[in-house]
Amino acid sequence: DTEVTQTPKHLVMGMTNKKSLKCEQHMGHRAMYWYKQKAKKPPELMFVYSYEKLSINESVPSRFSPECPNSSLLNLHLHALQPEDSALYLCASSQIWRRGVTTDTQYFGPGTRLTVL
Amino acid sequence: KNEVEQSPQNLTAQEGEFITINCSYSVGISALHWLQQHPGGGIVSLFMLSSGKKKHGRLIATINIQEKHSSLHITASHPRDSAVYICAPGSSNTGKLIFGQGTTLQVKP
Repeated sequence: DTEVTQTPKHLVMGMTNKKSLKCEQHMGHRAMYWYKQKAKKPPELMFVYSYEKLSINESVPSRFSPECPNSSLLNLHLHALQPEDSALYLCASSQIWRRGVTTDTQYFGPGTRLTVL
Repeated sequence: KNEVEQSPQNLTAQEGEFITINCSYSVGISALHWLQQHPGGGIVSLFMLSSGKKKHGRLIATINIQEKHSSLHITASHPRDSAVYICAPGSSNTGKLIFGQGTTLQVKP
């Protein structure tokens, strides 16, 4: 199973709502990533989890709150978002992540298309 | 200057043509990745290269570490190859992927 799944596929939320994005993989990978992608732009890294610990936070606003409850699951909790946060949110996983070590192949999920009204 | 430069930005080809996409980078890398993204979002990793050349079906990727340059070739292109191709060197310093702006390829039948 080389699949990364993400739910929901689409999400529309108001600026006062609280919602969560979910990502799951069963490949035994110990690194998981959240990316944000705006239209016609490359993905931008938001967070990296390595062995269920937050290793990189790319100065993401606190209205985005990641959580890694176990080695297979990654959540992104959303609260008080702004319309400019509308984007495709991609989850990815790789065998490991370690600064200074070769970058492993990342397996991407299909993404959640988020619209903030 | 961007750390990763891809060319061309857009490419239209006729079915059957040989296609080359180029990538130059300025950072120290541990490996370089080529990714494919179809309309609708999903990203697929095509190659991870740290030296030489790799081939998978009609796709070939090469890298010249000394010149900090990589190429992705598609032989006998097909309309289903239409997608955005992204070069993403992996920084040897940070362990992060540094994404190029992407090349949008359209293959016409």
